[in-house]
Amino acid sequence: NAGVTQTPKFRILKIGQSMTLQCAQDMNHNYMYWYRQDPGMGLKLIYYSVGAGITDKGEVPNGYNVSRSTTEDFPLRLELAAPSQTSVYFCASTGQGTKTQYFGPGTRLLVL
Amino acid sequence: DQQVKQNSPSLSVQEGRISILNCDYTNSMFDYFLWYKKYPAEGPTFLISISSIKDKNEDGRFTVFLNKSAKHLSLHIVPSQPGDSAVYFCAASEWQTGANNLFFGTGTRLTVIP
Repeated sequence: NAGVTQTPKFRILKIGQSMTLQCAQDMNHNYMYWYRQDPGMGLKLIYYSVGAGITDKGEVPNGYNVSRSTTEDFPLRLELAAPSQTSVYFCASTGQGTKTQYFGPGTRLLVL
Repeated sequence: DQQVKQNSPSLSVQEGRISILNCDYTNSMFDYFLWYKKYPAEGPTFLISISSIKDKNEDGRFTVFLNKSAKHLSLHIVPSQPGDSAVYFCAASEWQTGANNLFFGTGTRLTVIP
């Protein structure tokens, strides 16, 4: 199993550009999550999904959108990139009956 | 408002000694607690967890203690090894509509000195 994979590893965006951060898991997990981590801070939840077709906002959803058309994939969309979105983004997943989340390697995003 | 707090940003310990990392929380509805370890340029990896019905959980060199009345948990690493040098995050979960959301502390950077 590859676990949770994320692409790209690193990206530089100009202000106002858009992009999609990809996340996929091959563990047949129902629950998937997007977090951002700013320097010296903990992980903040952006969006989460409890299954295909179901998504909900986390603590810091502004400026982001998600979709969950399949169990495996949970892309995160930035529509109008702003410098405040410079961060490291982590995707995670977990299965039914467990609270342990498994994380991808992260995407480092720089908005200039 | 930060519901999970790790008040020590960093900790240095000699190899072979005990490392104690602390975590406090404010939400009394949290019922499950986890510790994650994170190396630079990698995602967090699960280390150990504890349910609120227990006060101690042990896994090899790692032990987590939970004091519910004080809303405090700690991670003990004995003996500490240079490979343990990483950032450690405490996380807590509250069962809500089955979402299994986690709330993270800000992390403690552990350095084990050979």
